[in-house]
Amino acid sequence: EVQLVESGGGLVQPGGSLRLSCAASGFTFSSYEMNWVRQAPGKGLEWVSYITSSGRTIYYADSVKGRFTISRDNAKTSLYLQMNSLRAEDTAVYYCARVAYGVHLGYYYYYMDVWGKGTTVTVSS
Amino acid sequence: SSELTQDPAVSVALGQTVRITCQGDSLRSYYASWYQQKPGQAPILVIYAKDNRPSGIPDRFSGSSSGNTASLTITGAQAEDEADYYCNSRDSSGNHHVVFGGGTKLTVL
Repeated sequence: EVQLVESGGGLVQPGGSLRLSCAASGFTFSSYEMNWVRQAPGKGLEWVSYITSSGRTIYYADSVKGRFTISRDNAKTSLYLQMNSLRAEDTAVYYCARVAYGVHLGYYYYYMDVWGKGTTVTVSS
Repeated sequence: SSELTQDPAVSVALGQTVRITCQGDSLRSYYASWYQQKPGQAPILVIYAKDNRPSGIPDRFSGSSSGNTASLTITGAQAEDEADYYCNSRDSSGNHHVVFGGGTKLTVL
């Protein structure tokens, strides 16, 4: 079964750090790009970060750039998100998601076909 | 960066057809993908690459696109289709960011 399982969430004080993990199984993890997506309470989905299958190319949303670091260990089939200098506005459920993209009939397509159940991060004093 | 705009809420009578739309400049280059999210659950992909359904998604879900607007249509809406729906694409401005619409809450009456 294709599966993503996040862990590492919890309660942290403003300015603190947390490391999220995402364990992948049931597919060839090293062949896929991955995203972190978050959802603040009562809000919509917000993309956080992206990493290529090799880990060589990385992108971040402006809201987390300079504070969050995405990484992966293909040997351990795991994705990570190191979160530093956390703020109250980082409070959210964090999801990891598998990426697929390409070109079809002259248009690009980009989607996330496998999602974990999420891990909750609460930043509060 | 690009933005995707969705109506915040839409309602449909049981068994009727409903269309949820998504507008944005990136949709002139990218097909939208669509996700369904029920309370307390992770999003699930329902439409990708114009009008493709992942395995297990009922065929009452379909997608279309024209210009800068993408649409998700549910033909014969069921009670279990009540959920939040999000569109998504990649930003076409070259920054490689990923964008989501604000979401549409679908109520089945």
